[in-house]
Amino acid sequence: EPEVTQTPSHQVTQMGQEVILRCVPISNHLYFYWYRQILGQKVEFLVSFYNNEISEKSEIFDDQFSVERPDGSNFTLKIRSTKLEDSAMYFCASSGPREPQHFGDGTRLSIL
Amino acid sequence: KNEVEQSPQNLTAQEGEFITINCSYSVGISALHWLQQHPGGGIVSLFMLSSGKKKHGRLIATINIQEKHSSLHITASHPRDSAVYICAAFSMEYGNKLVFGAGTILRVKS
Repeated sequence: EPEVTQTPSHQVTQMGQEVILRCVPISNHLYFYWYRQILGQKVEFLVSFYNNEISEKSEIFDDQFSVERPDGSNFTLKIRSTKLEDSAMYFCASSGPREPQHFGDGTRLSIL
Repeated sequence: KNEVEQSPQNLTAQEGEFITINCSYSVGISALHWLQQHPGGGIVSLFMLSSGKKKHGRLIATINIQEKHSSLHITASHPRDSAVYICAAFSMEYGNKLVFGAGTILRVKS
């Protein structure tokens, strides 16, 4: 069964550094999402992406965050200048129209 | 007030027991998702439903649109069912995005 893959599984970065989290969605999906989960807290929506543009974003998704679909397969989340509070599990998901979202296994981001 | 509320927060069951996890939400929704999160952190989608009932193996999900309530049932529970179960609602009133409940931590003892 096709699946969403995320790399790396764990990223350790110094505060203030840029980080790029990568996702390969399921190939025929059109809708892409990023979520984050701070340790011990709920999963939170960050951003959704459709037709090569952001369709929805949360208040968390400020100017430090950006998303890109640089080619036909990858979907990336960039954090420009990481802060301690960016430490979390980041999940990518994809779906077709009116279908369940398929989640990747997540990237654990640790900011030192 | 939380937009999506789940109960119970924690649930311990003996192997073989019938388990029910509840989810209530505050607005009209277009779909409700039940998700499973294992200790390693990965999330698996179990169900997406907008009305009625769905069944997959020992898992059953129901939704009552009028009462804004959904339940996830596990029949003949097994230790491998131990995980966090999360409901998430998709609604234009939430800004056309998934809003997640806090999750129910299920432990099934053998």
